[in-house]
Amino acid sequence: AQSVTQPDIHITVSEGASLELRCNYSYGATPYLFWYVQSPGQGLQLLLKYFSGDTLVQGIKGFEAEFKRSQSSFNLRKPSVHWSDAAEYFCAVGARGGGNKLTFGTGTQLKVEL
Amino acid sequence: GAGVSQTPSNKVTEKGKYVELRCDPISGHTALYWYRQSLGQGPEFLIYFQGTGAADDSGLPNDRFFAVRPEGSVSTLKIQRTERGDSAVYLCASSPYGVAGGQGEQYFGPGTRLTVT
Repeated sequence: AQSVTQPDIHITVSEGASLELRCNYSYGATPYLFWYVQSPGQGLQLLLKYFSGDTLVQGIKGFEAEFKRSQSSFNLRKPSVHWSDAAEYFCAVGARGGGNKLTFGTGTQLKVEL
Repeated sequence: GAGVSQTPSNKVTEKGKYVELRCDPISGHTALYWYRQSLGQGPEFLIYFQGTGAADDSGLPNDRFFAVRPEGSVSTLKIQRTERGDSAVYLCASSPYGVAGGQGEQYFGPGTRLTVT
C-alpha cells in the first residue's frame, strides 16, 4: 500500500528566507507525486505535480520540487518565502492505473514571520 | 470557468440522523472522488467514480456510507445513522482523466464541514 510521510508538523520561517518542506513516500513503482496547499477555509490547490521525465518540477507561486527515487523523496522548495505563503501544505502520492486515488501525508503547517 | 462546488458548506446534525452531501464537479470531468479530512490530518480517500459507476469504494469506512452519481455528473455522499466520529470536512474532487492513461490531476472543492452533535 502506498503511504506518505511529512515529518515536519510545523515550520516557521522569516519572510524572504528559503523554504524546504520534506516529503517521503512509499510506493511499489514510479509514483505520481503532488503538492497541494490549503489555506484556512479554502479547498486544496495544486502547486505542482510529477508524472515522469525531468525530476525537477516547477509549480505555481514560485515553488519547485525534486523527485529523488533513491531517497523516495519529493521535497518542496521556494527560494524566498512571502507572508502570503503561510498555509498548510500536503504531499500526496497517486496510484498509477488504480483510478489515481490520492494518499496524502498529514501536512506541514507553515508560519511566516514578518 | 466554474470549479468544483459542494453544498452545503456546513452541516450540523444530531447523532443518529441521516445526511446528504452534494458535489458538482467541473463540467466534462469524467472522474469524481470523495475524501474525508479529519482535524489535523490529511484527506483520506473514500470513493472514486468513473462516469456513473463507483470504480473503487475501498475507502468507505462502513456500510453507513454510500455515494451515488446517477447521471455521471453530480454526486451525493450519503451517511446513515451518523456518529460523532463522522465529524470531519468532506472534500470532493474531479478530474478530466480516466483510469487508463490518466495523470491523476484532481481539482478540489471547498468541502463540506460536517458536525455531528
